[in-house]
Amino acid sequence: EAAVTQSPRSKVAVTGGKVTLSCHQTNNHDYMYWYRQDTGHGLRLIHYSYVADSTEKGDIPDGYKASRPSQENFSLILELASLSQTAVYFCASSDRGISNERLFFGHGTKLSVL
Amino acid sequence: GQQVQQSPASLVLQEGENAELQCNFSSTATRLQWFYQHPGGRLVSLFYNPSGTKHTGRLTSTTVTNERRGSLHISSSQTTDSGTYFCATRNNYAQGLTFGLGTRVSVFP
Repeated sequence: EAAVTQSPRSKVAVTGGKVTLSCHQTNNHDYMYWYRQDTGHGLRLIHYSYVADSTEKGDIPDGYKASRPSQENFSLILELASLSQTAVYFCASSDRGISNERLFFGHGTKLSVL
Repeated sequence: GQQVQQSPASLVLQEGENAELQCNFSSTATRLQWFYQHPGGRLVSLFYNPSGTKHTGRLTSTTVTNERRGSLHISSSQTTDSGTYFCATRNNYAQGLTFGLGTRVSVFP
């Protein structure tokens, strides 16, 4: 079974502070993603990456940065955390083969900004 | 962008009953996937099914791409099936999946 590990599992941050969420995958997948989930919403794509040292904006990138220093690691950075960024954050990885591009998710990080 | 609509929003079942969850999407170019979210939050991939029918255990995924719809059939439901089911699609121009709002399933003994 593919493995995606997120840390921390939960975090409380202060408004204006810097937050870094980390993700590590052992699937040898090229693609990695950061999604956020809010009550009443599905998952929304923040940033993604398809190769090390490169990141791309997703659908809701404002207020977030991403970093992909290696194929295995993908971080999400909130430089100035705000109340509206309270949510559960999921990292995922996938392959992009012709027959299969299933997404494998980490356990999620519950972020509370106070 | 891609739109994904799921129905019903919630579903209550008695153990042993069957259920069908619907997913409608706005584009004919899809990479439809189904996910299950445990009550504790963990997201698990169920199916990658761009077209046709796939089975795993008591679950069946059917995607009719040219009609822009998919369905997930749960047969002989069990209490452990309780949770939220999401469908998600990606068209040829998008890099990430667009998710529906989910169907919350509750199965009682």
